[in-house]
Amino acid sequence: EAGVAQSPRYKIIEKRQSVAFWCNPISGHATLYWYQQILGQGPKLLIQFQNNGVVDDSQLPKDRFSAERLKGVDSTLKIQPAKLEDSAVYLCASRRLAGPSVQYFGPGTRLTVT
Amino acid sequence: DQQVKQNSPSLSVQEGRISILNCDYTNSMFDYFLWYKKYPAEGPTFLISISSIKDKNEDGRFTVFLNKSAKHLSLHIVPSQPGDSAVYFCAASARAGGTSYGKLTFGQGTILTVHP
Repeated sequence: EAGVAQSPRYKIIEKRQSVAFWCNPISGHATLYWYQQILGQGPKLLIQFQNNGVVDDSQLPKDRFSAERLKGVDSTLKIQPAKLEDSAVYLCASRRLAGPSVQYFGPGTRLTVT
Repeated sequence: DQQVKQNSPSLSVQEGRISILNCDYTNSMFDYFLWYKKYPAEGPTFLISISSIKDKNEDGRFTVFLNKSAKHLSLHIVPSQPGDSAVYFCAASARAGGTSYGKLTFGQGTILTVHP
């Protein structure tokens, strides 16, 4: 079974530029999550999708961050415009709709904003 | 408001000895707890979990203990191996109800170094 795929793995942009990250979850996983992990901290949930609907986006800075999962499979997370404090690793995770709350993570995208 | 805390940023252990990683939580609604391991440049990997109906779960060299009254859990690794060197995150979930079903709240992580 293929794991969670993410691209790109690394991205360097200047502040005020825009950037997009892509995630393809494990096949059959209805629930998809985007996390932000700042150096020295644990992952923090940004947004949770169930199929193509948003379940929780309470921690998403909606003035600059947006995410979509149009067909209920892969997802994109966008930042526009980026700020210096957005430098972090962006992790995508997925899990089955039912059963234990075990989430499976992708390798992440390391974003550096200069 | 840090609902899940790992108060030890780092832990150093000799190969073959026991590693004990600790985690405290404050939210009494949490009823499912997980440990993840993370190597550099990789995403977190699920290690072991425990439901609040249990106080111990074991998987090979890894055992998780849950003390609900103290809102404390710990991960024991016996014997520790150099390949166990990684960042360990504990996470908690409130499985029932609400729109955040399955949402994980993570601690800050503990860097484990196992010396040969």
